[in-house]
Amino acid sequence: GEDVEQSLFLSVREGDSSVINCTYTDSSSTYLYWYKQEPGAGLQLLTYIFSNMDMKQDQRLTVLLNKKDKHLSLRIADTQTGDSAIYFCAEILNRDDKIIFGKGTRLHILP
Amino acid sequence: EAQVTQNPRYLITVTGKKLTVTCSQNMNHEYMSWYRQDPGLGLRQIYYSMNVEVTDKGDVPEGYKVSRKEKRNFPLILESPSPNQTSLYFCASRITDTQYFGPGTRLTVL
Repeated sequence: GEDVEQSLFLSVREGDSSVINCTYTDSSSTYLYWYKQEPGAGLQLLTYIFSNMDMKQDQRLTVLLNKKDKHLSLRIADTQTGDSAIYFCAEILNRDDKIIFGKGTRLHILP
Repeated sequence: EAQVTQNPRYLITVTGKKLTVTCSQNMNHEYMSWYRQDPGLGLRQIYYSMNVEVTDKGDVPEGYKVSRKEKRNFPLILESPSPNQTSLYFCASRITDTQYFGPGTRLTVL
């Protein structure tokens, strides 16, 4: 069945880079997403990548896609305290247009 | 401003008392869906709708109903809520590559 896997926790020192990893199962996914959820808030679309791209950069965010390994990563450069949140990876299933979410990675920033 | 709104934002109710959580979007999106978020389980889709009068079950539809009589509204109905439906609920609407989420409804069923 379809599944999106990501580790549940990540701790990073302020100023370092954070790398959040995700694996997915549907090789025909058209779009892959990263969402951010701050405490007590809803989900905010951070960025997305189309399946025919390998990389997308947007200011401090870099998304890397390895279609062969079905691996997606989100790199946050110069991690700041405001980056503390849960990050969700998601894919759109090509066959029925459903969006499948991972369980989320809680990013904790160390001083 | 483009947005998805949900009401109520917080609700405490008792087992068996029917309730409705409303969802409305002002972006003329055809695709709308409902998710529940539970610790350690992430987001799971309850129901989705690809257009008016078209609804389909998601991964966890048991105990829920939806309706899509008009494009902008997609209410979630719990006919007889039970404590295992205590959760954080999100409505979302989507056009092609971008999905917009509502602010969430925290429901507690006693």
